[in-house]
Parts: sequence; C-alpha cells; structure tokens
Amino acid sequence: SQTIHQWPATLVQPVGSPLSLECTVEGTSNPNLYWYRQAAGRGLQLLFYSVGIGQISSEVPQNLSASRPQDRQFILSSKKLLLSDSGFYLCACKAAASSYNSPLHFGNGTRLTVT
Amino acid sequence: AQSVAQPEDQVNVAEGNPLTVKCTYSVSGNPYLFWYVQYPNRGLQFLLKYITGDNLVKGSYGFEAEFNKSQTSFHLKKPSALVSDSALYFCAVRGPSGGSQGNLIFGKGTKLSVKP
Repeated sequence: SQTIHQWPATLVQPVGSPLSLECTVEGTSNPNLYWYRQAAGRGLQLLFYSVGIGQISSEVPQNLSASRPQDRQFILSSKKLLLSDSGFYLCACKAAASSYNSPLHFGNGTRLTVT
Repeated sequence: AQSVAQPEDQVNVAEGNPLTVKCTYSVSGNPYLFWYVQYPNRGLQFLLKYITGDNLVKGSYGFEAEFNKSQTSFHLKKPSALVSDSALYFCAVRGPSGGSQGNLIFGKGTKLSVKP
C-alpha cells in the first residue's frame, strides 16, 4: 500500500522568507500527486496536481508553486511567504494505474505559520 | 460543477448512541462519493466510498453510509458511537472525469464530538 511522507511536520516562517515543503511517496509508481491546503482547520482546497515528472497543473492563482523532480517526489515552494499562506498543507496521492473511483491517500501534513 | 455540502458544523452525541453526519452532493454524471476522517494535526484517513451497487456502504471502524439518489445524499452513520470517534469528518466527491485527474472536492467538514 502507499505511504506518504511529508516534512517538516510544523514550520514557522517570517513573512517574505522562502518556503520548501517536501512530499515523497512509497509503495507505488507513477502516482498522481496533489497538494491541498486546509485553512482554519476546515475545508480543503486543491492547489496543484501532477500526473508525471515535470507536469504540474495549478488550480488557483497564488503565491505558491510546485515541482515534481522525481516520480515520487512533490515539492511545494514559495519565493516570498505571505501571512495568508499560513495553513495546514496536505500531500495526497493516487496510483495512476488504479481505477478512477479509487480514493486518495494523504500524508500527515505540514502546519505552516507565517509570522 | 461537482460539489458537496455538509450542513452541520458540529454534531454532538452521547457514547453508545447512534450517530449521523450529513452530506448532500451535486454532480454531473455518476456520483463517486467518499468519506474521510481527520484527527487533530493529522492527514485524512479514508473511511468508505460509494461507486455503484448497494446503497448501504460499509467501511472502516464500524462506519457505514447510505446513498440516496432521490435526495442526493450520502450520510455517514454508526450504530453506536465511541468517544474515540470524536474527530473532523469530510464528505467528498470525485472531480469530473478529465478534470484534475482524479482529485477530490471536499465539503467543509463536520466536527463530531462524542461525550462519555
């Protein structure tokens, strides 16, 4: 089964500083990968998804970017953080070979606080 | 467009009583529906899904959900609640085929509180 690793678990960064959050996946090849943000402990918003190395689709315009340098690695970045970037960031995956109705599997998340 | 609604911000039940967490959906095409649970500062854990077939779906930890096409609902249920069931519950629908490659669209979540 798939295992998703996210780090760090928590992060406090000042406004204007850069950001790099990493997600790696074990137990599957060529997964679809997703970055979600959960604000105020509630709803989840899809930020980016990727169906392969170097293929990134953005769902909402924002201060963040994503990259996929390796098959099972997904990175969320920012050059200059804003206060509004604070939140709980979740990486998810879905085996590409699985059916359309397969669930997503989530990592344990990174809580980012921008001060 | 695909969407789900969870009309209750919070549900309170006593331990041992049955629980229901409500979800309604709006989809174009066949609905692929999911329930997830989230404990504090953790990721989401998959509970169950409805794809087709029997309207009563059984999942993890004794949870089940009832799909009702006429009411466009997919309520989560458990016959006897445990204190350890206290968590945040999310209903989700699969995005449209050909869209975000299988992403899920989530409701805003319902906080379940089970008191001893």
